[in-house]
Formats: sequence, structure tokens, C-alpha cells
Amino acid sequence: SQQGEEDPQALSIQEGENATMNCSYKTSINNLQWYRQNSGRGLVHLILIRSNEREKHSGRLRVTLDTSKKSSSLLITASRAADTASYFCATDASGTYKYIFGTGTRLKVLA
Amino acid sequence: DVKVTQSSRYLVKRTGEKVFLECVQDMDHENMFWYRQDPGLGLRLIYFSYDVKMKEKGDIPEGYSVSREKKERFSLILESASTNQTSMYLCASIPRFSYTQYFGPGTRLTVL
Repeated sequence: SQQGEEDPQALSIQEGENATMNCSYKTSINNLQWYRQNSGRGLVHLILIRSNEREKHSGRLRVTLDTSKKSSSLLITASRAADTASYFCATDASGTYKYIFGTGTRLKVLA
Repeated sequence: DVKVTQSSRYLVKRTGEKVFLECVQDMDHENMFWYRQDPGLGLRLIYFSYDVKMKEKGDIPEGYSVSREKKERFSLILESASTNQTSMYLCASIPRFSYTQYFGPGTRLTVL
């Protein structure tokens, strides 16, 4: 079964609003990453948070990690139409590069 | 910029054919990966390689094999394609001492 599960599966918001998506996982992790995928394309790395970190920022992105709850959230502030994409979390449970991806959240930002 | 290229964006093959998917990265990365992506299932790891001629099975290696004869190239082989291997195939690479995966654009394979 998938290590990472994102929720919601789909999210539709207006431009300028904030978008929050969540990821839950099952086992201890070394780090957790978020990736974006535009329709029919490869994934692009957004941000990595290590297991000993609780929060990380990158531009309009804010990621939190709660290892006690085995969950992470990705917040995109002041969303733009160009943020329309699918977002995936990926966890590296064993430090062996055997990443496990979730099923993704489809975000649609309406202009 | 890191560049990961895949040999085809779209590929149509017939059941039973031998299929080769090629992935090339230009940044001397040690680690390379093959995933398949299906609706509702996310990305699933097929095989990965952490060095030339080294390979490790991922979560779904059945029906696939891989080859890494040179550091920059990682090939995925479908020995006898079947319709349930119709999918989007994504290649990725990671440099040493990093965790960031760099993905290729993907190959959408249809097996008829």
C-alpha cells in the first residue's frame, strides 16, 4: 500500500486564495518531499523537510511536518493560475532512496 | 540546469513485443530510477540503480528488467509487453549526497 496519502484528492480555489494539502504516511521517515506535476509532464521538486524539522518555507510555499502524527502539510499562499497542477508527497523511509509517493492532490486555481 | 531526457514522449506497441525505454541524465548522477504512474495509484517504483551495473528491485519489478551499462543511461526493458503495462513511465535521477529527484518528461506507453 502507498506510504503517502494526500488529501484532499482534488481542490479548486480562486486566484489569490491559499491552498492547503495534507500528506499522511505510515512508517518512520528520513525526510519528506513535495513535488509538483503539470498535466502529462514529469515531476518537479518543490521542497524537502527532514525528520528533525517542523516547518520550512520557500517563497510562497510553507511545509510543516508532524512526526508524532506522521503527517505533513503544504500551504501555497496567494495562489496563481500557474499553480494549477498535481502535488505529491514522497517519503524516504529507510534512507535507501526507495521513495514512496502518494496518490496526489489535484489543485485547480481559477483566474 | 539538470537535464533528464527520455527517448520517447509517446509509444505504441503490440502485446508480446520487446520494449526499450531509455533515460539519459547529463549531470553525472549516481542514482537513477524508473517509476510507472497510473491514475489513482500515484507513482510506483519499478527499479532503481545506485551505480553502473548495479540495480535494485522496487515495489513492482515483475515483467520488467533494467540495464545500466553507463552512468548516464538507465534503460527499462519490457521483455514481452502486455496490456496491463500501458502506463506513464517516469525516469528520475539523484546526485550523490542529495535527496532531490530530477524527473524526465515521461513516456506514455500504450500496449495494444
